[in-house]
Amino acid sequence: SQQGEEDPQALSIQEGENATMNCSYKTSINNLQWYRQNSGRGLVHLILIRSNEREKHSGRLRVTLDTSKKSSSLLITASRAADTASYFCATDAGGQNFVFGPGTRLSVLP
Amino acid sequence: GAGVSQSPSNKVTEKGKDVELRCDPISGHTALYWYRQSLGQGLEFLIYFQGNSAPDKSGLPSDRFSAERTGGSVSTLTIQRTQQEDSAVYLCASSLEARQPQHFGDGTRLSIL
Repeated sequence: SQQGEEDPQALSIQEGENATMNCSYKTSINNLQWYRQNSGRGLVHLILIRSNEREKHSGRLRVTLDTSKKSSSLLITASRAADTASYFCATDAGGQNFVFGPGTRLSVLP
Repeated sequence: GAGVSQSPSNKVTEKGKDVELRCDPISGHTALYWYRQSLGQGLEFLIYFQGNSAPDKSGLPSDRFSAERTGGSVSTLTIQRTQQEDSAVYLCASSLEARQPQHFGDGTRLSIL
């Protein structure tokens, strides 16, 4: 698997439910970032979590990081139809550029 | 303020032609990245510029691909002798410094006939 790989590949939920996406990586990191991409647009940064942090919140978003398992999760609570997008994690693999995973395609049904 | 701007938004060209894609990063951002994204796929890193340092070209898929960043601002990605497999969306991003959150443009959708 590649550095920064999300699962599931696709997720479909009803509006109001919570959505959880996971990201696994292989090598040590300085930080991990989550991005969202709406169809036909560029990526939008959501949250950055540093390697010495375990959890961060931003509005309805909650990100956790477990460096011992080399994994992160993104939780979106009380999902809305507008949350429909692809979600990517990005890891720096100790370097200065970033490696993006293949993404999770989230569909929130009204 | 202004975000990252890419032009053209769409480009259709014949196989074998050269194309030039442009990226205007956010003013003051020292780091600039180029990525390629095929339909429904993740991002493939191409090249990274940081300040006045030599660029990281490790992601360029072949010597037909080149990029430059003039004056630490605008960047152009050039693809020579385009092939059909070059068809993709080319995304540019900039960040204030290395390893910081990246701000993306909406990309150039390149179609090679």
